[in-house]
Amino acid sequence: TQLLEQSPQFLSIQEGENLTVYCNSSSVFSSLQWYRQEPGEGPVLLVTVVTGGEVKKLKRLTFQFGDARKDSSLHITAAQPGDTGLYLCAGFLAGGTSYGKLTFGQGTILTVHP
Amino acid sequence: EAQVTQNPRYLITVTGKKLTVTCSQNMNHEYMSWYRQDPGLGLRQIYYSMNVEVTDKGDVPEGYKVSRKEKRNFPLILESPSPNQTSLYFCASSFLQGYASDSPLHFGNGTRLTVT
Repeated sequence: TQLLEQSPQFLSIQEGENLTVYCNSSSVFSSLQWYRQEPGEGPVLLVTVVTGGEVKKLKRLTFQFGDARKDSSLHITAAQPGDTGLYLCAGFLAGGTSYGKLTFGQGTILTVHP
Repeated sequence: EAQVTQNPRYLITVTGKKLTVTCSQNMNHEYMSWYRQDPGLGLRQIYYSMNVEVTDKGDVPEGYKVSRKEKRNFPLILESPSPNQTSLYFCASSFLQGYASDSPLHFGNGTRLTVT
Protein backbone atom coordinates (compact mmCIF):
# COMPACT_ATOMS: atom_id res chain seq x y z
CA THR A 1 0.00 0.00 0.00
CA GLN A 2 1.37 3.37 -1.05
CA LEU A 3 1.49 5.96 1.71
CA LEU A 4 1.29 8.66 -0.94
CA GLU A 5 -1.09 8.00 -3.83
CA GLN A 6 -0.52 10.02 -6.96
CA SER A 7 -3.10 10.39 -9.69
CA PRO A 8 -3.30 10.10 -12.53
CA GLN A 9 -0.39 7.76 -13.21
CA PHE A 10 -0.34 8.75 -16.88
CA LEU A 11 -1.39 12.01 -18.52
CA SER A 12 -1.21 12.73 -22.23
CA ILE A 13 -2.35 16.18 -23.32
CA GLN A 14 -1.96 18.74 -26.09
CA GLU A 15 0.19 21.82 -25.82
CA GLY A 16 -1.73 24.70 -24.25
CA GLU A 17 -4.01 22.58 -22.08
CA ASN A 18 -4.15 22.83 -18.30
CA LEU A 19 -3.67 19.86 -15.99
CA THR A 20 -3.65 18.92 -12.34
CA VAL A 21 -1.74 16.12 -10.62
CA TYR A 22 -2.86 14.97 -7.19
CA CYS A 23 -0.93 13.52 -4.28
CA ASN A 24 -3.14 12.09 -1.53
CA SER A 25 -2.67 10.30 1.75
CA SER A 26 -4.64 9.32 4.82
CA SER A 27 -1.64 10.37 6.92
CA VAL A 28 -0.50 13.84 7.92
CA PHE A 29 2.78 15.11 6.50
CA SER A 30 4.99 17.79 8.00
CA SER A 31 6.10 18.82 4.52
CA LEU A 32 5.67 17.73 0.93
CA GLN A 33 8.08 18.11 -1.93
CA TRP A 34 7.49 17.92 -5.68
CA TYR A 35 10.17 16.64 -8.03
CA ARG A 36 10.46 16.37 -11.80
CA GLN A 37 12.49 13.63 -13.42
CA GLU A 38 13.62 13.30 -17.03
CA PRO A 39 14.77 10.04 -18.65
CA GLY A 40 18.30 9.04 -17.68
CA GLU A 41 18.51 11.55 -14.87
CA GLY A 42 17.71 11.79 -11.19
CA PRO A 43 14.73 13.76 -9.89
CA VAL A 44 15.11 17.52 -9.46
CA LEU A 45 13.28 19.40 -6.72
CA LEU A 46 10.60 21.84 -7.91
CA VAL A 47 9.15 23.05 -4.61
CA THR A 48 8.61 22.25 -0.93
CA VAL A 49 5.34 23.09 0.85
CA VAL A 50 5.32 23.16 4.62
CA THR A 51 2.24 24.98 5.92
CA GLY A 52 -1.32 23.66 5.59
CA GLY A 53 -3.17 25.63 2.92
CA GLU A 54 0.05 26.95 1.45
CA VAL A 55 0.11 27.84 -2.25
CA LYS A 56 3.37 28.30 -4.15
CA LYS A 57 3.79 29.37 -7.74
CA LEU A 58 6.69 28.63 -10.03
CA LYS A 59 5.96 30.34 -13.37
CA ARG A 60 3.14 28.24 -14.91
CA LEU A 61 3.20 25.69 -12.07
CA THR A 62 1.05 26.12 -8.96
CA PHE A 63 1.51 23.90 -5.93
CA GLN A 64 -0.95 23.59 -3.09
CA PHE A 65 -0.70 21.86 0.29
CA GLY A 66 -4.03 20.77 1.76
CA ASP A 67 -5.30 22.43 4.93
CA ALA A 68 -5.01 19.15 6.82
CA ARG A 69 -1.54 18.48 5.35
CA LYS A 70 -2.69 15.13 3.93
CA ASP A 71 -2.72 16.05 0.28
CA SER A 72 -1.12 18.26 -2.31
CA SER A 73 -1.69 19.19 -5.93
CA LEU A 74 0.36 20.42 -8.83
CA HIS A 75 -1.43 22.50 -11.47
CA ILE A 76 0.22 23.37 -14.77
CA THR A 77 -1.29 26.14 -16.88
CA ALA A 78 -0.86 26.13 -20.65
CA ALA A 79 1.35 23.05 -20.72
CA GLN A 80 4.30 22.99 -23.08
CA PRO A 81 6.25 20.05 -24.57
CA GLY A 82 9.13 20.99 -22.26
CA ASP A 83 6.92 20.07 -19.29
CA THR A 84 7.03 16.43 -20.36
CA GLY A 85 8.48 14.22 -17.66
CA LEU A 86 7.83 12.19 -14.53
CA TYR A 87 6.43 14.20 -11.62
CA LEU A 88 6.89 12.85 -8.13
CA CYS A 89 5.56 13.98 -4.79
CA ALA A 90 7.43 13.09 -1.60
CA GLY A 91 6.90 13.82 2.05
CA PHE A 92 7.96 13.45 5.64
CA LEU A 93 5.36 11.97 7.96
CA ALA A 94 4.38 14.28 10.81
CA GLY A 95 5.34 12.96 14.21
CA GLY A 96 7.08 9.99 12.68
CA THR A 97 9.67 8.13 14.66
CA SER A 98 11.98 7.82 11.68
CA TYR A 99 13.41 11.29 11.31
CA GLY A 100 14.75 11.61 7.79
CA LYS A 101 12.56 8.94 6.18
CA LEU A 102 11.23 10.44 2.95
CA THR A 103 8.31 8.70 1.22
CA PHE A 104 7.60 9.08 -2.51
CA GLY A 105 4.41 8.65 -4.48
CA GLN A 106 4.33 6.38 -7.54
CA GLY A 107 4.77 9.28 -9.93
CA THR A 108 2.79 10.78 -12.81
CA ILE A 109 4.15 10.45 -16.33
CA LEU A 110 3.17 13.59 -18.23
CA THR A 111 3.42 13.81 -22.02
CA VAL A 112 2.65 17.12 -23.70
CA HIS A 113 2.20 16.86 -27.47
CA PRO A 114 3.05 19.82 -29.71
CA GLU B 1 30.58 21.54 -9.88
CA ALA B 2 28.29 20.43 -7.05
CA GLN B 3 27.16 16.90 -7.74
CA VAL B 4 26.31 13.42 -6.56
CA THR B 5 28.30 10.80 -8.44
CA GLN B 6 27.21 7.18 -8.68
CA ASN B 7 29.19 4.36 -10.20
CA PRO B 8 28.68 2.35 -12.23
CA ARG B 9 25.82 3.68 -14.40
CA TYR B 10 25.01 0.20 -15.67
CA LEU B 11 25.73 -3.16 -14.07
CA ILE B 12 24.77 -6.67 -15.11
CA THR B 13 25.59 -9.42 -12.66
CA VAL B 14 24.58 -12.92 -11.66
CA THR B 15 22.67 -14.12 -8.64
CA GLY B 16 24.79 -14.33 -5.51
CA LYS B 17 27.80 -12.33 -6.69
CA LYS B 18 28.49 -9.55 -4.20
CA LEU B 19 28.53 -6.05 -5.60
CA THR B 20 28.96 -2.47 -4.44
CA VAL B 21 27.50 0.66 -5.97
CA THR B 22 29.45 3.72 -4.95
CA CYS B 23 28.02 7.15 -4.20
CA SER B 24 30.01 10.28 -3.54
CA GLN B 25 28.94 13.91 -3.00
CA ASN B 26 31.08 17.05 -2.94
CA MET B 27 28.64 19.40 -1.22
CA ASN B 28 29.49 18.59 2.42
CA HIS B 29 25.95 17.29 2.95
CA GLU B 30 25.10 15.54 6.19
CA TYR B 31 22.18 13.53 4.80
CA MET B 32 22.55 10.78 2.22
CA SER B 33 20.05 8.21 1.05
CA TRP B 34 19.56 5.34 -1.37
CA TYR B 35 16.39 4.68 -3.37
CA ARG B 36 15.28 2.11 -5.88
CA GLN B 37 12.88 3.03 -8.63
CA ASP B 38 10.55 0.47 -10.18
CA PRO B 39 7.72 1.07 -12.67
CA GLY B 40 4.45 1.93 -10.96
CA LEU B 41 6.07 2.07 -7.51
CA GLY B 42 7.90 5.39 -7.59
CA LEU B 43 11.05 5.69 -5.50
CA ARG B 44 11.34 3.56 -2.42
CA GLN B 45 13.88 4.39 0.24
CA ILE B 46 16.38 1.63 1.02
CA TYR B 47 18.62 3.21 3.65
CA TYR B 48 19.48 6.69 4.76
CA SER B 49 22.17 8.34 6.83
CA MET B 50 21.84 11.49 8.88
CA ASN B 51 25.61 11.81 9.33
CA VAL B 52 28.86 9.88 9.55
CA GLU B 53 28.45 6.51 11.29
CA VAL B 54 24.66 6.99 11.52
CA THR B 55 22.50 4.87 9.22
CA ASP B 56 18.83 3.87 9.36
CA LYS B 57 16.57 1.56 7.44
CA GLY B 58 14.15 2.93 4.89
CA ASP B 59 11.10 1.13 3.57
CA VAL B 60 12.85 -1.68 1.66
CA PRO B 61 16.20 -2.48 3.38
CA GLU B 62 16.13 -6.26 3.00
CA GLY B 63 19.06 -7.60 0.99
CA TYR B 64 21.05 -4.36 1.19
CA LYS B 65 23.78 -2.94 3.39
CA VAL B 66 25.28 0.51 3.62
CA SER B 67 28.09 2.22 5.47
CA ARG B 68 28.93 5.85 6.17
CA LYS B 69 32.56 5.99 7.26
CA GLU B 70 33.17 9.36 5.62
CA LYS B 71 30.83 12.27 5.06
CA ARG B 72 31.16 12.27 1.29
CA ASN B 73 30.70 8.55 0.58
CA PHE B 74 27.70 6.26 1.04
CA PRO B 75 28.18 2.92 -0.76
CA LEU B 76 25.33 0.49 -1.30
CA ILE B 77 26.30 -3.15 -0.90
CA LEU B 78 24.39 -6.17 -2.15
CA GLU B 79 25.97 -9.18 -0.44
CA SER B 80 24.04 -11.78 -2.43
CA PRO B 81 22.04 -10.13 -5.21
CA SER B 82 18.85 -11.75 -6.44
CA PRO B 83 16.78 -11.09 -9.58
CA ASN B 84 14.17 -9.16 -7.57
CA GLN B 85 16.84 -6.55 -6.92
CA THR B 86 16.95 -5.71 -10.60
CA SER B 87 16.07 -2.03 -10.57
CA LEU B 88 17.18 1.55 -11.11
CA TYR B 89 19.02 2.84 -8.05
CA PHE B 90 19.49 6.45 -7.02
CA CYS B 91 21.71 7.99 -4.41
CA ALA B 92 20.78 11.40 -3.03
CA SER B 93 22.19 13.89 -0.57
CA SER B 94 21.20 17.12 1.12
CA PHE B 95 21.81 19.26 4.13
CA LEU B 96 20.07 17.80 7.12
CA GLN B 97 16.64 16.43 6.20
CA GLY B 98 13.53 15.75 8.14
CA TYR B 99 10.15 17.12 9.01
CA ALA B 100 9.84 20.75 7.91
CA SER B 101 13.17 20.94 6.16
CA ASP B 102 13.08 22.45 2.68
CA SER B 103 16.63 21.45 1.90
CA PRO B 104 16.47 19.95 -1.60
CA LEU B 105 17.63 16.42 -2.25
CA HIS B 106 20.33 16.26 -4.91
CA PHE B 107 20.19 13.03 -6.86
CA GLY B 108 22.82 11.17 -8.80
CA ASN B 109 22.07 10.00 -12.33
CA GLY B 110 21.22 6.49 -11.31
CA THR B 111 22.62 2.98 -11.60
CA ARG B 112 20.68 0.47 -13.63
CA LEU B 113 21.28 -2.94 -12.11
CA THR B 114 20.29 -6.22 -13.74
CA VAL B 115 20.64 -9.45 -11.78
CA THR B 116 20.27 -12.65 -13.84
